[in-house]
Amino acid sequence: GAGVSQSPSNKVTEKGKDVELRCDPISGHTALYWYRQSLGQGLEFLIYFQGNSAPDKSGLPSDRFSAERTGGSVSTLTIQRTQQEDSAVYLCASYRGGNNSPLHFGNGTRLTVT
Amino acid sequence: GIQVEQSPPDLILQEGANSTLRCNFSDSVNNLQWFHQNPWGQLINLFYIPSGTKQNGRLSATTVATERYSLLYISSSQTTDSGVYFCAVVITGTASKLTFGTGTRLQVTL
Repeated sequence: GAGVSQSPSNKVTEKGKDVELRCDPISGHTALYWYRQSLGQGLEFLIYFQGNSAPDKSGLPSDRFSAERTGGSVSTLTIQRTQQEDSAVYLCASYRGGNNSPLHFGNGTRLTVT
Repeated sequence: GIQVEQSPPDLILQEGANSTLRCNFSDSVNNLQWFHQNPWGQLINLFYIPSGTKQNGRLSATTVATERYSLLYISSSQTTDSGVYFCAVVITGTASKLTFGTGTRLQVTL
């Protein structure tokens, strides 16, 4: 596609439920990131994929968070047993890699845990 | 880990004014990018600038990698420039994790 696509754009869930957030990167982009942004705050790194492997998952806040990427393309971020503090905008970004390769962001998924 | 600090944290300008935003980082980097997050939350890449100077219209950026800082210049500001400006860096020799700064919130008024 023309840009990074994330779905759903909005998700409201009850505390304790599991949620899956999807990211479809730009075709041919080997690197994929997940970030989280709470209201009025900066971007918090969650996990980085190069192809299907995750060389850096140090930002995942707890074992309730997991992510996978298949076929070097689509990525899914799963949050189990959601808590209210998980409420945030979850942003996905991809880039081609190499020099002069800017990062392209999707529009994010706004997650609200009630 | 690397520290990325931006200043000022907040800035209010009148339309037409110029401004300089600064990004300081604590380690050697091989990738530095500037982003604009508009009031609707969209993040747009402005510059990929690990060193040197680039210009794009009313915006320009300079990175002095040896002194560990980058500057973003906005000239003749417009209300559409409002939002938050972030710089992000990758430490030289690491597995390409892009670390974001704290951001500068800019409001341009009429």
